[in-house]
Amino acid sequence: AQSVTQLDSHVSVSEGTPVLLRCNYSSSYSPSLFWYVQHPNKGLQLLLKYTSAATLVKGINGFEAEFKKSETSFHLTKPSAHMSDAAEYFCVVIPDSSYKLIFGSGTRLLVRP
Amino acid sequence: SQTIHQWPATLVQPVGSPLSLECTVEGTSNPNLYWYRQAAGRGLQLLFYSVGIGQISSEVPQNLSASRPQDRQFILSSKKLLLSDSGFYLCAWSLLAGAYHEQFFGPGTRLTVL
Repeated sequence: AQSVTQLDSHVSVSEGTPVLLRCNYSSSYSPSLFWYVQHPNKGLQLLLKYTSAATLVKGINGFEAEFKKSETSFHLTKPSAHMSDAAEYFCVVIPDSSYKLIFGSGTRLLVRP
Repeated sequence: SQTIHQWPATLVQPVGSPLSLECTVEGTSNPNLYWYRQAAGRGLQLLFYSVGIGQISSEVPQNLSASRPQDRQFILSSKKLLLSDSGFYLCAWSLLAGAYHEQFFGPGTRLTVL
């Protein structure tokens, strides 16, 4: 069965410093992976997705993620955090031929001024 | 471009009252539609899934129901709300199901049952 594990429930960074949100997946084949962001009392917004075309995926708002099959990881990074990045981030996998998204438990990002 | 709407944005209802939440999608045809619930401090739980008009799959047995009267309209209902129905309800759509087909989420409805 496929699953995703977000290794940190909370991450705190200072504005202008790099962001790293970690995600590991479990899959018997090449997965379809996504990162979503949720601001307080808002819906989920798609940041980026991995579809096997390239291992380094660039998303919106300066975020990117690298798919590493050997490490079964799909960590989300951003070179310089902005106050507006404070939100909850979900790593998601979609099993092949399935409608059901498998969500990680989420990582809450706090950005300090 | 496609957009997804939900209303109302917030709702406070007494226990035992009925519920109707509406979701509509613009700019696409025959989307897959989904209802999720997000309890405070927890992840998303898939409630219902629909591949077409009148076709509803239920993921979790409960006192909620869903209907799809039109291609791009998805309604979540209850005859009698419970306290445990409080939460943040999200509607989503996708073009197809399965790998590589991301879901796009609406703004959500915050439901408080008192």
